[in-house]
Amino acid sequence: NAGVTQTPKFQVLKTGQSMTLQCAQDMNHEYMSWYRQDPGMGLRLIHYSVGAGITDQGEVPNGYNVSRSTTEDFPLRLLSAAPSQTSVYFCASSYSMGYGTKEGYTFGSGTRLTVV
Amino acid sequence: AQKVTQAQTEISVVEKEDVTLDCVYETRDTTYYLFWYKQPPSGELVFLIRRNSFDEQNEISGRYSWNFQKSTSSFNFTITASQVVDSAVYFCALISNYQLIWGAGTKLIIKP
Repeated sequence: NAGVTQTPKFQVLKTGQSMTLQCAQDMNHEYMSWYRQDPGMGLRLIHYSVGAGITDQGEVPNGYNVSRSTTEDFPLRLLSAAPSQTSVYFCASSYSMGYGTKEGYTFGSGTRLTVV
Repeated sequence: AQKVTQAQTEISVVEKEDVTLDCVYETRDTTYYLFWYKQPPSGELVFLIRRNSFDEQNEISGRYSWNFQKSTSSFNFTITASQVVDSAVYFCALISNYQLIWGAGTKLIIKP
């Protein structure tokens, strides 16, 4: 199993550009989520999805869009990149509607995004 | 409000010492889950343990042990006989309403 695959691993954007961070999982997890990690802070939830066609906002949704057309994929779109969106982004998936399993969430390896 | 506090920003010990990482949480939920994750310098997030609010038994896994105390809302993590490979940032997290709420993390430095 590949687990959770995030692409790209690194990205530099200019202010105002848009892009999509890709996240795919092959574990048939119904729950998927996007987090951002800033220096000295824990992860903060951007958006999450409890199944195909269902998404909701987390703690810091502004400037980001998501959709969930399939169980496997949960892309994160930056509409108009700003320097404040410079961060490391993690995608995570899990069974059990966000309450995880004994094994917890499965995280992707992260995308390091810099907006200049 | 749901909140996780890891008051220790950074801990530095010499190899083979025991070290405890503190985690204090706040929640109004009667059923909740707590997690510990490890983030080594390479940056990935590694699951260590999940504990639910009904299970206050302490858990031991090799050199790692966890002490869950509902009375003090704490879920502390102890590494016995620390090794250089334990150097990482450790996060405590609480799940509530489909969200994992994270502490700020404790950076653990193990010196040889």
